[in-house]
Amino acid sequence: AQTVTQSQPEMSVQEAETVTLSCTYDTSESNYYLFWYKQPPSRQMILVIRQEAYKQQNATENRFSVNFQKAAKSFSLKISDSQLGDTAMYFCAFMNSGNTPLVFGKGTRLSVIA
Amino acid sequence: ETGVTQSPTHLIKTRGQQVTLRCSSQSGHNTVSWYQQALGQGPQFIFQYYREEENGRGNFPPRFSGLQFPNYSSELNVNALELDDSALYLCASSSPGTVSYEQYFGPGTRLTVT
Repeated sequence: AQTVTQSQPEMSVQEAETVTLSCTYDTSESNYYLFWYKQPPSRQMILVIRQEAYKQQNATENRFSVNFQKAAKSFSLKISDSQLGDTAMYFCAFMNSGNTPLVFGKGTRLSVIA
Repeated sequence: ETGVTQSPTHLIKTRGQQVTLRCSSQSGHNTVSWYQQALGQGPQFIFQYYREEENGRGNFPPRFSGLQFPNYSSELNVNALELDDSALYLCASSSPGTVSYEQYFGPGTRLTVT
């Protein structure tokens, strides 16, 4: 079974600084998808960024980018120019190819400090 | 485009009672997945419905059951409630035709069992 590990329960960063959240996963599959979701206090789970395993290029969405290391099974999220609105729980998630369920890590609570 | 909605927002039940949670999928989506998120944890997959049929189930007992209707909305039913069923219940809709089968989440239903 696939597993996702987030080793940083809590992190904090100063506004405008850069922070990196770590995620490792375990799978025997060669084709899969990885996601970072943000869950603010409002509880709504919001997709931040996705990465297809067959793509070597790291995904980027505005201030958010990933460092995808397939051989190491590592998928970290970098947030640049952190904003107060980035304060939230961040979940790393894995999906096999196909219409299959997401497997989530336990999350990292990120606090952006003014 | 209408997003994923869930009802009720929160509710309180007594141990042993039964509860029904509802989810309306995003327009055009034919798959609904249900997740349980205990406090301080990542979401755990309960089951998925695709075109009104159960299409996968996580490690949850049979007292967790569901339905999907012709309009692709869905219900999660939990019988004989236990204290450990207290959690945030999230539904997510998706469609095999979308890029990377991205799942769009609703705001969740907070269930408290006393």
